[in-house]
Amino acid sequence: KAGVTQTPRYLIKTRGQQVTLSCSPISGHRSVSWYQQTPGQGLQFLFEYFSETQRNKGNFPGRFSGRQFSNSRSEMNVSTLELGDSALYLCASSLGLAGNTGELFFGEGSRLTVL
Amino acid sequence: AQSVTQPDIHITVSEGASLELRCNYSYGATPYLFWYVQSPGQGLQLLLKYFSGDTLVQGIKGFEAEFKRSQSSFNLRKPSVHWSDAAEYFCAVGLGSARQLTFGSGTQLTVLP
Repeated sequence: KAGVTQTPRYLIKTRGQQVTLSCSPISGHRSVSWYQQTPGQGLQFLFEYFSETQRNKGNFPGRFSGRQFSNSRSEMNVSTLELGDSALYLCASSLGLAGNTGELFFGEGSRLTVL
Repeated sequence: AQSVTQPDIHITVSEGASLELRCNYSYGATPYLFWYVQSPGQGLQLLLKYFSGDTLVQGIKGFEAEFKRSQSSFNLRKPSVHWSDAAEYFCAVGLGSARQLTFGSGTQLTVLP
């Protein structure tokens, strides 16, 4: 079956702009998590959505937001981009069932460059 | 605050040699423990996980890891490394959730022919 699909794979923006990234989870998966990966800070948890509701949120400013649709697809948005937002944004899906032991399946990421 | 430490930024081994990647965590309780691997330009792939039970866990690609509560460690091992194992390896922990993970800074593995 198809894996986690993230679009776009690469994008370049300038400071002050906003960006929207998309993630299509594996079919049947209801949980989508987002992570930011940078050389300086490493991998950091952004947020998790399950059944269209944000279930957990990491320590990021309000410029970072997300949502999930009824078909489990998710988008994340970053407004007023800063140079430090340049990163690889990884989406991961899981079944999200009770018990919290579901494996995360990661997409290949969206690489954002802010100039 | 919770933290995950991978003390080795870069490790180089010869093909066929054994491998051990170190991971230590700082948590009040025993968290969920994971090892992920990332090849260049790729996302992360789960190698193995520990939730409870047997402290020696087997994963994919011939990897195993041992949870040692007394040392707060979850080291990854492989008896014989293959050139295709060259990648970056991340240890991760989750406290109460397998989806909200705290990752270590990663260990870059180079395999010499």
